[in-house]
Amino acid sequence: NAGVTQTPKFRVLKTGQSMTLLCAQDMNHEYMYWYRQDPGMGLRLIHYSVGEGTTAKGEVPDGYNVSRLKKQNFLLGLESAAPSQTSVYFCASSYSGRDYNEQFFGPGTRLTVL
Amino acid sequence: GENVEQHPSTLSVQEGDSAVIKCTYSDSASNYFPWYKQELGKRPQLIIDIRSNVGEKKDQRIAVTLNKTAKHFSLHITETQPEDSAVYFCAAPNTGNQFYFGTGTSLTVIP
Repeated sequence: NAGVTQTPKFRVLKTGQSMTLLCAQDMNHEYMYWYRQDPGMGLRLIHYSVGEGTTAKGEVPDGYNVSRLKKQNFLLGLESAAPSQTSVYFCASSYSGRDYNEQFFGPGTRLTVL
Repeated sequence: GENVEQHPSTLSVQEGDSAVIKCTYSDSASNYFPWYKQELGKRPQLIIDIRSNVGEKKDQRIAVTLNKTAKHFSLHITETQPEDSAVYFCAAPNTGNQFYFGTGTSLTVIP
């Protein structure tokens, strides 16, 4: 049981390049989330999904796109990277239900945009 | 949207003393309040959570209290140990399935 995994762990991009971050979970969770973490700003929600085939915008969605084609995977895309997107990106998943539940986080992806 | 404020941003305590971290939230419909611990270079992990139908929850040296009227909740760590040193985050959901996190408290326990 791997829990939540993220690939890659590190990446350096040049301004204007594109990339996709992959998040996978093997806990059969319905809800998945993408956050970015910057010093002094906590975790900010980029996009989230409440089930396969669904996505929704979070607090800071601009410059990112997501897809949830399979229940276990949640992809985060950067079409044209900017230095402001330098950050640590965390994916999380949680069991859905009438009540909220614990979010399980992946190990993070450290992205640097030059 | 939700707005979660967390204080203090840094906290240093002597080993064995207690630590208290406070968060306030704005969405009165919020009904679930988790606390996460993040060690340096690691992922956030849940340490305790509370739902709006109770006022306090304890798990060994950790407790969380909730005041729904005042819209604030607090994390209490007693008999602190060096391994408690980490960044702690509170969070609260809004009615749209989104979670808002506080900006974090860096706790240092001095041996």
